[in-house]
Amino acid sequence: DIQLTQSPSSLSASVGDRVTITCRASQSVSNYLNWYQQKPGKAPSLLIYSTATLQSGVPSRFRGSGFGTEFTLTISSLQPEDFATYYCQQSYTAPRTFGQGTKVEIK
Amino acid sequence: EVELVQSGGGLVRPGGSLRLSCEASGFNFSSYEMNWVRQAPAKGLEWISYISGSGKTISYADSVKGRFTVSRDNAKNSLYLHMNSLKAEDTAVYYCARVEKSPSLELRYWGQGSLVTVSS
Repeated sequence: DIQLTQSPSSLSASVGDRVTITCRASQSVSNYLNWYQQKPGKAPSLLIYSTATLQSGVPSRFRGSGFGTEFTLTISSLQPEDFATYYCQQSYTAPRTFGQGTKVEIK
Repeated sequence: EVELVQSGGGLVRPGGSLRLSCEASGFNFSSYEMNWVRQAPAKGLEWISYISGSGKTISYADSVKGRFTVSRDNAKNSLYLHMNSLKAEDTAVYYCARVEKSPSLELRYWGQGSLVTVSS
């Protein structure tokens, strides 16, 4: 199975900060890497698919990049509604594993 | 409008069984692969199963293989997860999700979640 490791597991940041989350795969997943945002008590919501394509309606402050085994999710200027947990997921092969999540908290 | 409405869930004793349902509307259900994803309390997301639109191709995570069975009834626009030999570690919120017809197989639409608690 492909393991996805996110770093950091949590971070504290202020509104307006630039935030970067890394997702490393145990083997290449090409560009079959998706990002989800989850708020407490809610289902996850799709942010970015195919490494870098923003889901419709997602603000342009979110950016995804990478290929192969290393990927990043960047939020250019953190907004109050961005405080949430973020997950990467690979869809290269089954089982379509998720990273363990990165919780973004208010500093 | 795409909608996935889940039902089932609840409290079940270890070793027991339960069936979750996910009723779809707003799209051609039979032409979409569907997934089940779960989340244990205060834990991350765990992908557990997919089923193709026809129901002919199915895959499971090792953690549920041999105990859980995914099925679908395209005439009823419904997806099911049959859970047998339940363990305490199966306690989680279970989500159904639609897989997009793109190379990245992203999960764009999710159900509201069904809580399954396995406890004596």
